[in-house]
Amino acid sequence: LAKTTQPISMDSYEGQEVNITCSHNNIATNDYITWYQQFPSQGPRFIIQGYKTKVTNEVASLFIPADRKSSTLSLPRVSLSDTAVYYCLVGDIFSNTGKLIFGQGTTLQVKP
Amino acid sequence: NAGVTQTPKFRILKIGQSMTLQCTQDMNHNYMYWYRQDPGMGLKLIYYSVGAGITDKGEVPNGYNVSRSTTEDFPLRLELAAPSQTSVYFCASSLPGAGGTEAFFGQGTRLTVV
Repeated sequence: LAKTTQPISMDSYEGQEVNITCSHNNIATNDYITWYQQFPSQGPRFIIQGYKTKVTNEVASLFIPADRKSSTLSLPRVSLSDTAVYYCLVGDIFSNTGKLIFGQGTTLQVKP
Repeated sequence: NAGVTQTPKFRILKIGQSMTLQCTQDMNHNYMYWYRQDPGMGLKLIYYSVGAGITDKGEVPNGYNVSRSTTEDFPLRLELAAPSQTSVYFCASSLPGAGGTEAFFGQGTRLTVV
């Protein structure tokens, strides 16, 4: 799996848009980019996944530039309940190795 | 739908004791994983399995053993508990294509070794 680099922590205020960027310089052709969210005392949960350009769902948007060496998770108008750790993962969708490696993630603190 | 179920939710072990953390999933997923998460840290992969009868080491396998006799179950065994194994343990499952598919996590087992 391609190594990823994210900021350790970020602060924001309610109602703001939050953008978390992940660097993955050695991403491979078959690799997809996946983001997970983890609340305290819970297991991570899938937020969004993409391969290139932009993906949007009811929770977030994922922006991927043409070179795919980075990606940005965008959370619109965050609330206190968005306080969590966000993980960026990069991996081959066709791989049968089974390894799913999480980095340290980005701790997002949303303040009132 | 139950998803991924872990038992127990909490456990206190004495140094040198052994125990098995249970994990079962009802989604017919081939891939299953065990992670540990120390306070304030990210998840570390202990062992994973791509199917019944197949297991492999992750990033931090020392002190643990696993087996996968069925698609549904993936128990994690601690043979000689040590204080360094105090952590929260998460089990997860997914379909093949680990890097590009959604993994589902259990609620975790909080283990304290004293």
